[in-house]
Amino acid sequence: ELKVEQNPLFLSMQEGKNYTIYCNYSTTSDRLYWYRQDPGKSLESLFVLLSNGAVKQEGRLMASLDTKARLSTLHITAAVHDLSATYFCAVASTNAGGTSYGKLTFGQGTILTVHP
Amino acid sequence: NAGVTQTPKFQVLKTGQSMTLQCAQDMNHNSMYWYRQDPGMGLRLIYYSASEGTTDKGEVPNGYNVSRLNKREFSLRLESAAPSQTSVYFCASSGIRQGDQPQHFGDGTRLSIL
Repeated sequence: ELKVEQNPLFLSMQEGKNYTIYCNYSTTSDRLYWYRQDPGKSLESLFVLLSNGAVKQEGRLMASLDTKARLSTLHITAAVHDLSATYFCAVASTNAGGTSYGKLTFGQGTILTVHP
Repeated sequence: NAGVTQTPKFQVLKTGQSMTLQCAQDMNHNSMYWYRQDPGMGLRLIYYSASEGTTDKGEVPNGYNVSRLNKREFSLRLESAAPSQTSVYFCASSGIRQGDQPQHFGDGTRLSIL
């Protein structure tokens, strides 16, 4: 059974600082997704990571995937208040043949608060 | 583009009542999903439909049924609502079975069962 764990679950940052959110998963997969959720809102796709060593960057956020370590990171550079949200990683299950398909298992989410 | 549309947005039920949550997507996606979101637990998959005409159980299917009415629509039914089913329900869709694209989410249905 695929399990996905994020840490930290709560992150309080000062504006301008850097930090990293970690996403560990328990079984083989080569498909990992990062989503953002604002309070009371839907989930917005941030990154799709499709292979070992994949790195994606958008603005102050950078995501990477290490399939051997079963680890993804979401790095925040020079945080600003607008980044305050809950961030989820989600991992795609693989079938018996090792092919990833669309069934996702989500982490618990990291609640990020950026203070002035 | 409407994307994924869920109805209703809010609902209050009494224990034992039934209801159907509706979901429709206009992106010509093959796969559709129903999740529930509870505080501190992320999203958990209830049921999914990899393609029109197929449905499969997810992590937490007990107490729910689904219907993939056509390629656009995927409904979730609570036959006899229980307080433990109080949650926010999200419908999602994706275009390729192999998961090369992200899932697109609706705005959610906030369901309270008294």
